[in-house]
Amino acid sequence: EIVLTQSPGTLSLSPGERATLSCRASQSVSSSYLAWYQQKPGQAPRLLIYGASSRATGIPDRFSGSGSGTDFTLTISRLEPEDFAVYYCHQCSSSPPYTFGQGTKLEIK
Amino acid sequence: EVQLVESGGGLIQPGGSLRLSCAASGFTVSSYYMSWVRQAPGKGLEWVSVIYSGGSTYYADSVKGRFTISRDISRNTLYLQMNSLRAEDTAVYYCARDQYYYDSSGDSSNGFDIWGQGTMVTVSS
Repeated sequence: EIVLTQSPGTLSLSPGERATLSCRASQSVSSSYLAWYQQKPGQAPRLLIYGASSRATGIPDRFSGSGSGTDFTLTISRLEPEDFAVYYCHQCSSSPPYTFGQGTKLEIK
Repeated sequence: EVQLVESGGGLIQPGGSLRLSCAASGFTVSSYYMSWVRQAPGKGLEWVSVIYSGGSTYYADSVKGRFTISRDISRNTLYLQMNSLRAEDTAVYYCARDQYYYDSSGDSSNGFDIWGQGTMVTVSS
């Protein structure tokens, strides 16, 4: 089973700042199968990024994804108030089990 | 409108059984890979099970042998039969659609693009 480790656990930033979230895999993951989600309290997760770097429908271009192999990054270029939430990386490869990272909480400083 | 609506959650005693339903609209469940994902109170997301469009099924080790994923084509509905429930199965259960995207060279990538609102399962005596 591929273990995904996200860092930091909590990130405290101010609106307008840049956020960089990390996701490290215990073994190589095809970029095609690495996704990122945003979850706000009481809501279902929302797909932000698929294929490591492609934005899902309706996702603002301040969200970007990058990386390959075992190291992936989600960047939010300029934080808006609505961006403060929990973010999860997810590997959904062709061979289950699928796994999620433990999440990074992005909070207002 | 493309959406998923879960139902069937509730309070159940340890050792009991429960069947969750996930009704789809706006797309055909049997044409997609469909997963169940759960989230224990205050915790992160945990993938539970997937059923492929071809019918193959897979499970997380934590539920293997106790949970069964299935679908009803006529009802366009996904199910999760949960048996031998334990306290650690307490969670919000989401169903999700696995969408595949294809680029100009035919390479694919994927992500869970549609999620239900979730249904709460509480296992307690």
